[in-house]
Amino acid sequence: NAGVTQTPKFRILKIGQSMTLQCTQDMNHNYMYWYRQDPGMGLKLIYYSVGAGITDKGEVPNGYNVSRSTTEDFPLRLELAAPSQTSVYFCASSYRTSGPLEQYFGPGTRLTVT
Amino acid sequence: AQTVTQSQPEMSVQEAETVTLSCTYDTSESDYYLFWYKQPPSRQMILVIRQEAYKQQNATENRFSVNFQKAAKSFSLKISDSQLGDAAMYFCAYLGDTNAGKSTFGDGTTLTVKP
Repeated sequence: NAGVTQTPKFRILKIGQSMTLQCTQDMNHNYMYWYRQDPGMGLKLIYYSVGAGITDKGEVPNGYNVSRSTTEDFPLRLELAAPSQTSVYFCASSYRTSGPLEQYFGPGTRLTVT
Repeated sequence: AQTVTQSQPEMSVQEAETVTLSCTYDTSESDYYLFWYKQPPSRQMILVIRQEAYKQQNATENRFSVNFQKAAKSFSLKISDSQLGDAAMYFCAYLGDTNAGKSTFGDGTTLTVKP
């Protein structure tokens, strides 16, 4: 199993540009998450999904959009990039049955907006 | 909303010694899950230990153990026989049982291990 994969690993955007961060998991997990981590800080939840076709906002959703058309994929869309979106982005997944198990994280995408 | 507080931005420990990292949280839920994650310089998030709130027994994983005080809403991590490879940023995380999608992380504690 590859686990959780994210592409790209690094990206530089100009202000106002848009891009999609890709996330794929091959563990058949029902829950998927997107976080951002600013320098020296913890992870902030952007969006999450409890299954295909179902998404919900986290703590810091403004400026982002998500979709979940399949169990495996959970792309994060940045529209009109701003310098405040410079951060490291992590995708994670977990499998919930009777209780939430731990999250498995991807390697992260370092995004710089200039 | 749930909050997670790690009051120690930085900690240091001598190799082979024991160190305790603090975490407190605030929630109105009765059932929930708590985690400690390790993030080395590689940036990869690695699960260290997990605790279910309904279990009174403290979780243990080899050299890592927790002191879970549900009434005090405290969840500290003890690392015994510290090794150089333990140097990393450590995050405390909360997941509620009613809405396991909304996880909350603390701001982290950077642990330095001195040889």
